[in-house]
Amino acid sequence: QKEVEQNSGPLSVPEGAIASLNCTYSDRVSQSFFWYRQYSGKSPELIMSIYSNGDKEDGRFTVQLNKASQYVSLLIRDSQPSDSATYLCAVKIIQGAQKLVFGQGTRLTINP
Amino acid sequence: ETGVTQTPRHLVMGMTNKKSLKCEQHLGHNAMYWYKQSAKKPLELMFVYSLEERVENNSVPSRFSPECPNSSHLFLHLHTLQPEDSALYLCASSQEGSGRAWNPAAGELFFGEGSRLTVL
Repeated sequence: QKEVEQNSGPLSVPEGAIASLNCTYSDRVSQSFFWYRQYSGKSPELIMSIYSNGDKEDGRFTVQLNKASQYVSLLIRDSQPSDSATYLCAVKIIQGAQKLVFGQGTRLTINP
Repeated sequence: ETGVTQTPRHLVMGMTNKKSLKCEQHLGHNAMYWYKQSAKKPLELMFVYSLEERVENNSVPSRFSPECPNSSHLFLHLHTLQPEDSALYLCASSQEGSGRAWNPAAGELFFGEGSRLTVL
């Protein structure tokens, strides 16, 4: 089983709709979870992080964490064409030295 | 200069060449990383230098050799690479907690723009 799993997509969403991206992880003791956005030809940039169960909102972005079910999701409201990118889920794994493990990313396309 | 800077941005090398990738962070962080990004694969952690300790992914071939002379600079020395090593190499930095105290914000990585490597 992969440590962090995401649907690679592509996921197509019409402009103005809600884009929903999901991520599951295998390490039950993980405490820190991150979503990165990567535009084509660019490096990943952090957009949201979450450390406790529940929802966390920042502008049009909401992260939801459910540790019992071991999933973390990212919702993008009022999707814009500029949101088209690959979204990487990352989970901090504690195995001796802490390390950040990434999923393979979900490619999101917002259609005008 | 701000953030994390990497040079060169693009590198083409033959299998017998020796080259180095350079990374510099201006964020005052205490940990630096090398990641490899290949098409359709997750970001793969290659090396970590955290609190002056080096941690490595045991699956990384010895033809990749990291060097971290101080907390702001990181190098990746490349020697006799293979065509399958062609990828985007990303440097990142973060501020890690010291001792046993849990720092939830630790692990927020800041990436450089990457070095696109092509091995012929």
